[in-house]
Amino acid sequence: AQSVAQPEDQVNVAEGNPLTVKCTYSVSGNPYLFWYVQYPNRGLQFLLKYITGDNLVKGSYGFEAEFNKSQTSFHLKKPSALVSDSALYFCAVRASNRDDKIIFGKGTRLHILP
Amino acid sequence: EPEVTQTPSHQVTQMGQEVILRCVPISNHLYFYWYRQILGQKVEFLVSFYNNEISEKSEIFDDQFSVERPDGSNFTLKIRSTKLEDSAMYFCASRDRRNSNTGELFFGEGSRLTVL
Repeated sequence: AQSVAQPEDQVNVAEGNPLTVKCTYSVSGNPYLFWYVQYPNRGLQFLLKYITGDNLVKGSYGFEAEFNKSQTSFHLKKPSALVSDSALYFCAVRASNRDDKIIFGKGTRLHILP
Repeated sequence: EPEVTQTPSHQVTQMGQEVILRCVPISNHLYFYWYRQILGQKVEFLVSFYNNEISEKSEIFDDQFSVERPDGSNFTLKIRSTKLEDSAMYFCASRDRRNSNTGELFFGEGSRLTVL
């Protein structure tokens, strides 16, 4: 079975500081990993994904994520946080040998403090 | 930029009533999904749909739920007899077949269902 864990319900970061939102996963086989962002009363917006290749993937709005196979992690990062980055962030996974749904973590609320 | 559109944005209904939520996926996409989110919490998978049939469904998707693609553009979720616990935000998503199973899902803005 596929699963995703986001251990932090909330992360607070001062504007201008680097941010990290943690994610670990469990799948059988190779994972396809995704990050989505949700602003208040909005749908989920795709940020970035890891399929294969370079472990560091870059996405929208200056975000990046690092795939670590040995630690089964896919942490979301940004070098310098903006107040506008405040939102709910979801990590998601699909097993590479499946062709259907992606499974989401419970989400981490990111607060960027001015 | 093409997008997934959902209607209605908000529906209030009485317990026991039937509800139909509508979605227009991105036009060249072939995989369709419904997810739900209760009170801004976890996003839960309900059902996936491909080639005019259900590919997979979760335990949440019981006999009260059904999906249809009645024409070439709409994808609907029907709840036959709503319960209080069906109150949630329902998201439709679609995926492009050309990306095979590496493709990301594109989500609509959601339909908020309130059951009284």
